[in-house]
Amino acid sequence: NAGVTQTPKFRILKIGQSMTLQCTQDMNHNYMYWYRQDPGMGLKLIYYSVGAGITDKGEVPNGYNVSRSTTEDFPLRLELAAPSQTSVYFCASSSGTHTKDTQYFGPGTRLTVL
Amino acid sequence: GQSLEQPSEVTAVEGAIVQINCTYQTSGFYGLSWYQQHDGGAPTFLSYNALDGLEETGRFSSFLSRSDSYGYLLLQELQMKDSASYFCAVRSRFYNQGGKLIFGQGTELSVKP
Repeated sequence: NAGVTQTPKFRILKIGQSMTLQCTQDMNHNYMYWYRQDPGMGLKLIYYSVGAGITDKGEVPNGYNVSRSTTEDFPLRLELAAPSQTSVYFCASSSGTHTKDTQYFGPGTRLTVL
Repeated sequence: GQSLEQPSEVTAVEGAIVQINCTYQTSGFYGLSWYQQHDGGAPTFLSYNALDGLEETGRFSSFLSRSDSYGYLLLQELQMKDSASYFCAVRSRFYNQGGKLIFGQGTELSVKP
């Protein structure tokens, strides 16, 4: 199992450009999440999904969009990139069971907006 | 809303025991998780407490007191490789919120020789 994979690993964008961060998991998890982490800070939830076709906003959704057409994929779209979106983006997935629910994180995408 | 407080930095020496505290305020609570993150890496799961008491996993233990809205992570026999950031996270109790986690700001642990 590859677990959670993210592409690209690094990206530099100019202000106003758009891009899609890719996230794929091969664990057949229903739940997927997108977080951003600014330097020295905790993770902030951007969007999450409880299954294919279902998405919802997290704490900091402005400037982002998501879709979930399959169980495996959960891409994050940045429209009109701004310097405030410079951050490390982590995708995660979990099985969603109520007991020992573990979130598995991808390696992250380091995004700089200049 | 939900908020969590943990110390920003902790320093300890190799072989020692260190405790990282986490207090939380939440309107809906299902459990307290702990994640470790090495510099530049992805967070990895350490421990989860759904009920009051102590959970032990090797050198790491985690404790939860729901009545005090408080938990801690205990690391024993510290090793240099334990130098990392440690995050507590509250899990939403509402199933339709997808078990989403709210993370604390993280505690940076430095282990000295």
